[in-house]
Amino acid sequence: EAGVAQSPRYKIIEKRQSVAFWCNPISGHATLYWYQQILGQGPKLLIQFQNNGVVDDSQLPKDRFSAERLKGVDSTLKIQPAKLEDSAVYLCASSWVADTQYFGPGTRLTVL
Amino acid sequence: GQQLNQSPQSMFIQEGEDVSMNCTSSSIFNTWLWYKQDPGEGPVLLIALYKAGELTSNGRLTAQFGITRKDSFLNISASIPSDVGIYFCAGHPLNTNAGKSTFGDGTTLTVKP
Repeated sequence: EAGVAQSPRYKIIEKRQSVAFWCNPISGHATLYWYQQILGQGPKLLIQFQNNGVVDDSQLPKDRFSAERLKGVDSTLKIQPAKLEDSAVYLCASSWVADTQYFGPGTRLTVL
Repeated sequence: GQQLNQSPQSMFIQEGEDVSMNCTSSSIFNTWLWYKQDPGEGPVLLIALYKAGELTSNGRLTAQFGITRKDSFLNISASIPSDVGIYFCAGHPLNTNAGKSTFGDGTTLTVKP
């Protein structure tokens, strides 16, 4: 069974630029999550989708972050414009059962 | 938001030693989860706990859901070099959606051969 796929694996941008990350969950997993993991901290949930609907986006900085999962399969997370404090690893996870989340390898974002 | 206090922050042990780490919260959790994260990878679920007092093993790993529902611990017996990594606790507070996990900041484990 293929795992959660994410791309790119690394991205370096300058502040005020835009960036987008892509995630393809495990086939059949209805729930998809985006997490932000700052160096030295645990992952923090940004947004949770159930199929193509948003379940929770209470910790998503909506003035600059957006996410979509139009067809209920893959998803994109966008930051526009980026700030220095957005430097982090962005993890995507998917699940069939809520407590068993499978994580992708993440995208490491560096904002200069 | 919810805060999980995970300790110790880091551990340096000899191969073959046992390891214990714990996680505490100021509020009640109805699920406790333990993950391991290797460098450049996402966290991998090790053990899930669903009931107060529950003790669950996965090979050399044992985890317990605290009676007060505000803490959990993870033990690793007879450590080996591949146990190196960052161990995270996570949990679901009461009255939150089932997928909304709150993570601790991790315990970094180093095993010396």
